[in-house]
This record gives sequence, structure tokens and C-alpha cells, in this order.
Amino acid sequence: AQKVTQAQTEISVVEKEDVTLDCVYETRDTTYYLFWYKQPPSGELVFLIRRNSFDEQNEISGRYSWNFQKSTSSFNFTITASQVVDSAVYFCALLNSGGYNKLIFGAGTRLAVHP
Amino acid sequence: NAGVMQNPRHLVRRRGQEARLRCSPMKGHSHVYWYRQLPEEGLKFMVYLQKENIIDESGMPKERFSAEFPKEGPSILRIQQVVRGDSAAYFCASSPTYRDTEAFFGQGTRLTVV
Repeated sequence: AQKVTQAQTEISVVEKEDVTLDCVYETRDTTYYLFWYKQPPSGELVFLIRRNSFDEQNEISGRYSWNFQKSTSSFNFTITASQVVDSAVYFCALLNSGGYNKLIFGAGTRLAVHP
Repeated sequence: NAGVMQNPRHLVRRRGQEARLRCSPMKGHSHVYWYRQLPEEGLKFMVYLQKENIIDESGMPKERFSAEFPKEGPSILRIQQVVRGDSAAYFCASSPTYRDTEAFFGQGTRLTVV
């Protein structure tokens, strides 16, 4: 079975706090891709990152960082020094390689950053 | 190069009416995917189309929903005789080839059934 679990439904933090959003996935494939998307209150989907299953290096982009651990089937997302503009729903998604672009999304984590 | 264009952005229909959602893929993209996001949920795959062909409609409800991607013009997701449970955000994504691992999403159409 292929599945993405985002156990945190909602997270509330105060500005400048660090926050980690968890993502656990299930797949039988050895080659796959993992994604994070941001959905701000305006509703569109903003692509944040794509990683393939052979690249376990952690990634940092400004205040954002991602920790990919195949041993625990997790692809967690950390926002450092959060800001009010980070308030959004964040989705983790899985794509199995070898086929077409059929993403499996988690249920999302709603992040509220308060001033 | 314009992104994936969806229209309308917001659509209100009364129960029993038909809803038509349009998606124009990015230039040069011939693969289109439709996803549905029910309130407070993640996106769920509905259908994958190439020009003039439905490749995978495993996520489409069996009745009232249909999709097409004609040789000319946008892809259309059609919902007949809408019910309150059809209220959702419908997203379209496109990719240039079938093997691309990144699809580009439109801004979505928010359908409200009253």
C-alpha cells in the first residue's frame, strides 16, 4: 500500500520559534519521490521541494530544511525562526517512479504562526 | 510562459445543476491530472488524461463525473447534477511528458454547491 501520514493536524507557534512538521510514508517501491507543498490562505499550491529516494542528504533553503530518513520512512520539514507569513497548510506527497505523475498526498498540517 | 490556468476560480452551483471546470495546461504540456480537495482534507487524484485519451480514471466517482482533454482547447472536468458533497477545490496539474516527476499545479477552482 502507498500512503502518506501527517499525524499533526494543527500546530500553533509564536513567531521566531522553530517548528517541525512530520511526514511518514509507506511504499513498496525502491524508487520514489517525496514532495512538500504549501497552501496559504489564498488556496493555491506552492511547490517547496522534491527529493528522490536515492538522495538522503538533508536540504536547506533559507529558513526551511528537510530531513529525509529512509530507515524510518520519514521526510520531515523544519521551519527555523517562523514568521507569520509561514501560516498555511503544508502537504507532504509521494510519487512512485516508473509511472505517471499520480501524487499521493497526506492530509496536511495546518500551521498557525502568531505574532 | 504562463502557468497552468484554471477557470473559473470560484463557481457556485445549485443542487442539480451542471458544473464545468476548465484547465489550460502549460505550453508544451500534453499531460493533465485532476485532483480534488474536500474541505479540511488533502488532495486526492481523480483522473489522468493525455490529448484525446483518458489514461487513468481510478479516482473518479463512478457517476456524474467525466473528464476530457480534446485535441484543441482546455481540459474539462464536468460534474452533472451536482450535490452538496461535490463542494470542494478542484486542482489541475500538467506535465510535459508522462515520466516527468514534477507536475505544475493551477490555482484551483473552488466549487460551492448551494
